[in-house]
Amino acid sequence: NAGVTQTPKFRVLKTGQSMTLLCAQDMNHEYMYWYRQDPGMGLRLIHYSVGEGTTAKGEVPDGYNVSRLKKQNFLLGLESAAPSQTSVYFCASSSNDNEQFFGPGTRLTVL
Amino acid sequence: GQSLEQPSEVTAVEGAIVQINCTYQTSGFYGLSWYQQHDGGAPTFLSYNALDGLEETGRFSSFLSRSDSYGYLLLQELQMKDSASYFCAVRNRSNYQLIWGAGTKLIIKP
Repeated sequence: NAGVTQTPKFRVLKTGQSMTLLCAQDMNHEYMYWYRQDPGMGLRLIHYSVGEGTTAKGEVPDGYNVSRLKKQNFLLGLESAAPSQTSVYFCASSSNDNEQFFGPGTRLTVL
Repeated sequence: GQSLEQPSEVTAVEGAIVQINCTYQTSGFYGLSWYQQHDGGAPTFLSYNALDGLEETGRFSSFLSRSDSYGYLLLQELQMKDSASYFCAVRNRSNYQLIWGAGTKLIIKP
């Protein structure tokens, strides 16, 4: 089992460009999440999904969109990147309320 | 609103015991979780307290007291590999979202 994988691992964007981050899990988990982590801070929830075809806003959803067309995939889109979106992005999945499994992260820099 | 407070940094000696505290303000939550994150890595799950009391997993133990809005992570027989950041998190009862503390950086000296 690969667990949770994320692509790409690194990306540099110019202000105004768009991109999509892909998260995939092979554990048949219902719940999937996108977080961002800034230096010296905890994780902040961007969007999450409680099942295929569903999405919901988290704590900091502005400037991001998500889709969960297949149970194993959760996509995070940046429509028009801004320097404030420079961060490390983590995807996670879970089957219950207790334990979340995280991907390795995507390090995004917006110039 | 909801918030969790943890010390930003704790220093301990290899082989010793260290306690990392977490206090929270929330109107309702399901339980308290702890995660470990090494520099440059992803968070990994350590423990979950659904009920008050102590949960033990090997060298790590976690405690919750809902009446005191307080929990802690206890690490025993510290090893250099335990140098990492430790995060507490609570799941909001109303929307199931996980709210995270800012993390405690544990520095272990030989």
